[in-house]
Amino acid sequence: NAGVTQTPKFRILKIGQSMTLQCTQDMNHNYMYWYRQDPGMGLKLIYYSVGAGITDKGEVPNGYNVSRSTTEDFPLRLELAAPSQTSVYFCASSPRDRGLGQPQHFGDGTRLSIL
Amino acid sequence: GESVGLHLPTLSVQEGDNSIINCAYSNSASDYFIWYKQESGKGPQFIIDIRSNMDKRQGQRVTVLLNKTVKHLSLQIAATQPGDSAVYFCAENSGGSNYKLTFGKGTLLTVNP
Repeated sequence: NAGVTQTPKFRILKIGQSMTLQCTQDMNHNYMYWYRQDPGMGLKLIYYSVGAGITDKGEVPNGYNVSRSTTEDFPLRLELAAPSQTSVYFCASSPRDRGLGQPQHFGDGTRLSIL
Repeated sequence: GESVGLHLPTLSVQEGDNSIINCAYSNSASDYFIWYKQESGKGPQFIIDIRSNMDKRQGQRVTVLLNKTVKHLSLQIAATQPGDSAVYFCAENSGGSNYKLTFGKGTLLTVNP
């Protein structure tokens, strides 16, 4: 059972470079999310998607972009990397909840350093 | 419990003891709560959840208690084992949203053999 898979696991970027963090899930979940986690802090929502073709901003979207062309994939794009974007990025997914709430399932993260 | 800042609250217990980790949530409209475990270098792992129509729910070696009056959530781990050492954090659905979660900063649990 693969669950949520994130690639790469680690990356070092130079200031101003761009990259795409990949996320794919094989659970047929409707909802997908991107978070960043800074040391000693809780997860901050960057972007989320409630289905293919639909994305929306979270708490900290500046400097990032997303797309959701398929149910399975939800890539996160950094266009002009800045040191403030050094963090651990987590992708998560959850099923349609039918009003009862559902836990989100997480990948193992991408550790990104910008120098 | 949770706190603002770079230093996580910590809890140190002896192997075999029971652990209690606390969380104060922020939004009185939240009606769904989750506990996650995060080991070093890993993503958060779902442990147990509870909906607001309950005040207690039990899993394997874990119990979650919900007190809506004081907006407090706790996770009890019975017979704590070294493999339980991790950061534990709670999450609430944001103001009643059924899919967006707000996460606490976490508590570091260390189990001493």
